[in-house]
Amino acid sequence: GNSVTQMEGPVTLSEEAFLTINCTYTATGYPSLFWYVQYPGEGLQLLLKATKADDKGSNKGFEATYRKETTSFHLEKGSVQVSDSAVYFCARVNTDKLIFGTGTRLQVFP
Amino acid sequence: GAGVSQSPSNKVTEKGKDVELRCDPISGHTALYWYRQSLGQGLEFLIYFQGNSAPDKSGLPSDRFSAERTGGSVSTLTIQRTQQEDSAVYLCASSFHSGGRTDTQYFGPGTRLTVL
Repeated sequence: GNSVTQMEGPVTLSEEAFLTINCTYTATGYPSLFWYVQYPGEGLQLLLKATKADDKGSNKGFEATYRKETTSFHLEKGSVQVSDSAVYFCARVNTDKLIFGTGTRLQVFP
Repeated sequence: GAGVSQSPSNKVTEKGKDVELRCDPISGHTALYWYRQSLGQGLEFLIYFQGNSAPDKSGLPSDRFSAERTGGSVSTLTIQRTQQEDSAVYLCASSFHSGGRTDTQYFGPGTRLTVL
């Protein structure tokens, strides 16, 4: 099938901790992959994307590498900040639409 | 430039009433999408437009839901005879091309619909 699976939240971290949010997908072929972020009270914003295998998307200190061997696109950040507190959605393209994971809430405390 | 805009930002209606939700995509974007975000179902695709036609309506949950797009720009999502389960945030997105596997979809702030 065509689906996206994300780790359950919430993820609770202290400021400057290392972050990993796991995301795996099922697909035939190699769809483009995305991470979107939704800050409290705001709409969905694109965080980063990767369009082919082994691509690394990066933005605002966040990174994710398209791994075709493990069908994964895990989100990482070396040192989180309180301002990173948000809900993060992994997504893949399926023909003309995005298929989203269930979202992972990140809470960062000072 | 301006992003995707949606109106109203909030809509409260009574069960059985009809509602119309509006989306203004980014200028020049030919593709427009509607999604729904609800607690129980997460983010779900509803319908996709390329220009004024809708080649993919597969996500519309029932025949009470319809959408149109005019002039290759503004789109309206209409929900007839609203039910409480229609309560959700309705998101609109647009992208430069359609069906492009690399295209980024840009989202509006959403319309929060509450059906009493």
